[in-house]
Amino acid sequence: DVKVTQSSRYLVKRTGEKVFLECVQDMDHENMFWYRQDPGLGLRLIYFSYDVKMKEKGDIPEGYSVSREKKERFSLILESASTNQTSMYLCASSLEGHRPLHFGNGTRLTVT
Amino acid sequence: ILNVEQSPQSLHVQEGDSTNFTCSFPSSNFYALHWYRWETAKSPEALFVMTLNGDEKKKGRISATLNTKEGYSYLYIKGSQPEDSATYLCAFKDSNYQLIWGAGTKLIIKP
Repeated sequence: DVKVTQSSRYLVKRTGEKVFLECVQDMDHENMFWYRQDPGLGLRLIYFSYDVKMKEKGDIPEGYSVSREKKERFSLILESASTNQTSMYLCASSLEGHRPLHFGNGTRLTVT
Repeated sequence: ILNVEQSPQSLHVQEGDSTNFTCSFPSSNFYALHWYRWETAKSPEALFVMTLNGDEKKKGRISATLNTKEGYSYLYIKGSQPEDSATYLCAFKDSNYQLIWGAGTKLIIKP
């Protein structure tokens, strides 16, 4: 079974802090994604990556950056956390083509 | 702007009853339609990836149909059980290969 592991389940940070969310997958998937999920909305794509050192902006990249130095690891960085970044963050990975996404358990981030 | 709508937003169903809900998506530039189940405190889990108009897929008591020409998919659950309580997400994949997600249908099974 594919395992996608997110480093923290719950995180509380202060406004202005730099925040790192880590995601590791163990099945050699090319594609990795970061989403945020807010009440009443569908998952919104922040950034994705199709290969090592490659990154593409999703629908809501402002205030975020990412890093993919190794195939199995995709990090999401909040350069200066703000209260409107309080959300559930989901990492996912997949193979190419008609393959489903495999998700981590999510990180619920609260910025105070 | 591409939009994926799921209805209803939430649903209470008596244990043992069957139920269904809908995902509506754009009827052009279709590539695939995904269904996921997201139980509380767990990760979303893939149920189906559907690609062809008229597709029907089944996994145990859960099945799904796809109509790409009119832009909808139905998810059916037969004989609901408490473990079916979850949020069911659908996502439309267009010819640019990006997934656009619905807001989900929250299903609560009453014992």
